[in-house]
Amino acid sequence: GENVEQHPSTLSVQEGDSAVIKCTYSDSASNYFPWYKQELGKGPQLIIDIRSNVGEKKDQRIAVTLNKTAKHFSLHITETQPEDSAVYFCAASLPLRGQNFVFGPGTRLSVLP
Amino acid sequence: GAGVSQSPSNKVTEKGKDVELRCDPISGHTALYWYRQSLGQGLEFLIYFQGNSAPDKSGLPSDRFSAERTGGSVSTLTIQRTQQEDSAVYLCASTAGLNEQFFGPGTRLTVL
Repeated sequence: GENVEQHPSTLSVQEGDSAVIKCTYSDSASNYFPWYKQELGKGPQLIIDIRSNVGEKKDQRIAVTLNKTAKHFSLHITETQPEDSAVYFCAASLPLRGQNFVFGPGTRLSVLP
Repeated sequence: GAGVSQSPSNKVTEKGKDVELRCDPISGHTALYWYRQSLGQGLEFLIYFQGNSAPDKSGLPSDRFSAERTGGSVSTLTIQRTQQEDSAVYLCASTAGLNEQFFGPGTRLTVL
């Protein structure tokens, strides 16, 4: 089955710097790759997603890139702010298993003021 | 409501007792998912519903875990004879199709 790895597990950056989180997946049939942000005591919330027919997607300070050949995708946050501090999860979805989403283990991002 | 709701928000129970966790998905969402999140860990897939049927139960950790969904809406996750290792946050999510999963706030289960 699908396996998703995520690095780093923790990341600290200074406010205003950029943060990059990387994920790899194992099943080339996966075709949907969302990123979720989870704040303390809350459920995960989608912040950006990308499908396998697109190489890059951007939404203001957040961007995601996908390399299908290498089977990895990355989250880029620019001009980080303290409110970006949270746990970020990547996921990969297999279309033939009822959209079963496999999540990475998460990255705890701390933005230092 | 506007989002996915779960109840109770917190549940403390004694080892060996049964618990029921409820999820109200967004109205009209056909797919519903249950996940388990242990402290500081990622999301562990438990079960997926499409309508009232569960084509994928592969994530249920033991036969003490079961789930049902009625009327294509509300779902209940039942854990029988709870064990301390069942302590976790149980998250529910719903989706309208091939797109974004909307998560509820979760139920924090503590088994003493």
